[in-house]
Amino acid sequence: GAVVSQHPSWVICKSGTSVKIECRSLDFQATTMFWYRQFPKQSLMLMATSNEGSKATYEQGVEKDKFLINHASLTLSTLTVTSAHPEDSSFYICSARTFPLAKDTQYFGPGTRLTVL
Amino acid sequence: DAKTTQPTSMDCAEGRAANLPCNHSTISGNEYVYWYRQIHSQGPQYIIHGLKNNETNEMASLIITEDRKSSTLILPHATLRDTAVYYCIVRSGTYKYIFGTGTRLKVLA
Repeated sequence: GAVVSQHPSWVICKSGTSVKIECRSLDFQATTMFWYRQFPKQSLMLMATSNEGSKATYEQGVEKDKFLINHASLTLSTLTVTSAHPEDSSFYICSARTFPLAKDTQYFGPGTRLTVL
Repeated sequence: DAKTTQPTSMDCAEGRAANLPCNHSTISGNEYVYWYRQIHSQGPQYIIHGLKNNETNEMASLIITEDRKSSTLILPHATLRDTAVYYCIVRSGTYKYIFGTGTRLKVLA
């Protein structure tokens, strides 16, 4: 199946700093990628839809100035958490949509665990 | 977007079939049903998806009722490694996935 990677797998940072998370589709091109956040013992919550070459679309309640998304190429999307605070500590997961390949599906990365001290 | 309802948890004996139900009574005619699973601290893994016909692959079978208001994921011979949270998702026209709470499946030795 299609492979999606994320880097880093985990990061610890101080409050007030910015953190960038990369999401790459390794063996297919993805015009659309998605970013999710998951708190302990909770389900995944969609944060935003990232389309190559255009601005991301954010879900209601997600601060676009705090969570900057860039989808500069067909294989790479980045999420930057700006001025991170302890409440931003979470598991961040990206996915990439395989369309227009056959079997329109999203494949997920392994996730990035962010801890803000 | 159609909402899905799944049991919170289920147990299954190793080697037996695991049948995981999902209700999606508000599904629209062109919305697909997708199943994923998430093992602790990992990203969700794709299992199977379908529109209205039953589907089978190397991992599982998906049975969708004729009225499409519910579906069942079948793992034919569950193993301990199948212990995970299973999510049933109805994909919207905007191609977004809205995750519900999922079913925590525990396979017992």
